[in-house]
Amino acid sequence: QSALTQPASVSGSPGQSITISCTGTSSDIGSYNLVSWYQQHPGKAPKLMIYEGNKRPSGVSNRFSGSKSGYTASLTISGLQAEDEADYYCCSCAGNVGTITWLFGGGTKLTVL
Amino acid sequence: QVQLQESGPGLVKPSETLSLTCTVSGGSMTGYYFNWFRQPPEKGLEWIGNIYYSGNTNYNPSLKSRVTVSMDTSKNQFSLILNSVTAADTAIYYCVRQSGGYKPFDLWGRGTLVTVSS
Repeated sequence: QSALTQPASVSGSPGQSITISCTGTSSDIGSYNLVSWYQQHPGKAPKLMIYEGNKRPSGVSNRFSGSKSGYTASLTISGLQAEDEADYYCCSCAGNVGTITWLFGGGTKLTVL
Repeated sequence: QVQLQESGPGLVKPSETLSLTCTVSGGSMTGYYFNWFRQPPEKGLEWIGNIYYSGNTNYNPSLKSRVTVSMDTSKNQFSLILNSVTAADTAIYYCVRQSGGYKPFDLWGRGTLVTVSS
């Protein structure tokens, strides 16, 4: 299976909102409502920000939200803050029950101007 | 507080075997899936495979022929073996926990850099 497609970079000013897209196929995003999003600061391990499309783990700011339409999932960050500057990766389940695999996007570098 | 910690050689020669261990501290392995991921320098994440506490495994098809994931619950550890490595296997390797087979990856180790070089 191929990786999911994300834009290489996005940017926004503090207080603004940005959206990162993640495009897959009928075999992954289109088949499962299991898209998750991970934030990764330089030199750190990824951190789960959104799961099952639009759910936030405990402790994650409600400025982060997720959605899905067809084969494309999106992560929206509202009220941008300097600390949001990081790489963001989408992830989706793919394949058939019993032989699932996990696909990632190539990552999107968010710059807070 | 449950933590995961990777350990193993930081340098492996081409054609040899990469072997890493992940120690789970502060909690039980029962009922969880344990995964290995990797991230080449300046590149994205790749799922390698996982093991359920019962011993069932599942692997990335692109790596399946070279990968084995195993578990030792008596030591609260699980391991990764990757055979016949090349420079393309140079990466930060992460061990990661899932609370179910379709659940998100919610607990990550800090990662360990493995370089393949002679």
